[in-house]
Amino acid sequence: DAGVTQSPTHLIKTRGQHVTLRCSPISGHKSVSWYQQVLGQGPQFIFQYYEKEERGRGNFPDRFSARQFPNYSSELNVNALLLGDSALYLCASSLDRPGNTIYFGEGSWLTVV
Amino acid sequence: RKEVEQDPGPFNVPEGATVAFNCTYSNSASQSFFWYRQDCRKEPKLLMSVYSSGNEDGRFTAQLNRASQYISLLIRDSKLSDSATYLCVVNLANTGNQFYFGTGTSLTVIP
Repeated sequence: DAGVTQSPTHLIKTRGQHVTLRCSPISGHKSVSWYQQVLGQGPQFIFQYYEKEERGRGNFPDRFSARQFPNYSSELNVNALLLGDSALYLCASSLDRPGNTIYFGEGSWLTVV
Repeated sequence: RKEVEQDPGPFNVPEGATVAFNCTYSNSASQSFFWYRQDCRKEPKLLMSVYSSGNEDGRFTAQLNRASQYISLLIRDSKLSDSATYLCVVNLANTGNQFYFGTGTSLTVIP
C-alpha cells in the first residue's frame, strides 16, 4: 500500500513568490496535517484538515493557507515567501481519532533565496 | 515555554552501550505520547507509543510519568543502525491530531 505521498520533493523559490505543496494521504485516512521543520528543530504544527474542514491551526502567519479536497488530498500554500520559510514541509495523515498515530510523507524541501 | 523539551545532545555512545533519553512536557492535559525516529534528511517515523504502564519493544523501553510530566526512552545494546535523531511527541486532549514535537535528541553509535 502506498504511504503518504508529497510533491514536489525539492524546490527553490525567490523571496516574494508563492508556493503550492501537495499531499496524498494513506488510503482510508481522512485527516491530513501539515508541519514545518527547520534545520535543528522538531516539526511545528501548521494545519490539520478533516473532511475538507480545518480542524486546527498553529502559530503561523496568514501567508500560510491550506485546503483539503473530496479525495482527502491536500494542498499547502505559502504566499510572499520569506527566507525564513526555507524548511522541510511535512504532510502527515491519520485516522481521525485524537491521539491516533500520524504517518509522515517524505516531505517537500523548500529553499527560498 | 515550549510544550515539549528535550536535551538535544549529541549523545555519542559505543556499540553495545545502553543510552537513555529524557523529555518533559508542560501541559498536564497531554493525552498521548510517542517517540519518533528521524534519520538525516528523512521524515520522522514512529518508533513507539508510550503508555502509563511503560512498554517495551525489543531493545527499546519507554516510560511515562504523568505526575512529573516526564517521558523517557531507553535503548539497550546499541547498534550502529540506531544512529538517528529521536523526537519526543505529545498530543493534547481536545486538539484532535495536533502533535507537539521536541527538538529531538541526536544519537551516534560508534563502532
